[in-house]
Amino acid sequence: SQQGEEDPQALSIQEGENATMNCSYKTSINNLQWYRQNSGRGLVHLILIRSNEREKHSGRLRVTLDTSKKSSSLLITASRAADTASYFCATAYTLAGGTSYGKLTFGQGTILTVHP
Amino acid sequence: EAGVAQSPRYKIIEKRQSVAFWCNPISGHATLYWYQQILGQGPKLLIQFQNNGVVDDSQLPKDRFSAERLKGVDSTLKIQPAKLEDSAVYLCASKQGQFYLNTEAFFGQGTRLTVV
Repeated sequence: SQQGEEDPQALSIQEGENATMNCSYKTSINNLQWYRQNSGRGLVHLILIRSNEREKHSGRLRVTLDTSKKSSSLLITASRAADTASYFCATAYTLAGGTSYGKLTFGQGTILTVHP
Repeated sequence: EAGVAQSPRYKIIEKRQSVAFWCNPISGHATLYWYQQILGQGPKLLIQFQNNGVVDDSQLPKDRFSAERLKGVDSTLKIQPAKLEDSAVYLCASKQGQFYLNTEAFFGQGTRLTVV
């Protein structure tokens, strides 16, 4: 299966600390995306990193991609209570010739709890 | 910009009944997805459309599930007859351009289905 797997399954931290979540996948990808889900806003796209990129930043978010290890990490710096949510990685895998199939396959997610 | 609209938000039905969900994607988005998310799991792709054509329906239980996207805009997902294990949140998502492009998907709030 192409499905990514997030680690850890659950993470509990204090406000102000950093949170790191990892994602591993099985086959070659075209891009990897991170999404956040909470009860109030549904699934929200955070960041997309292409297979030829190694690191990407967006505000307090930093994503790395290691295609040799088939893994990615999401770092949230200076976490806030509002960051409490489930975080999912989703992969879009390549067809022969390097074209993304476009089918987004999600992992099981990491539940992040940030205590005030 | 208006987001992906889904209705209804909640639905409770008895097993063996039928149910339909509606999705209106973001204007101009050619690619549309339906996902099923069972409590505690990541979203699982059911079907992917490019305009009004099906790109991938390999994980759609075709004996009971059907989906259409007439005119390449709105889409409906139907379950007939429903089973207890169909209890889940059904998410619709859309993205701009062709399905194989490296672009983000935008998700609706979902329809929470409970089968009793």
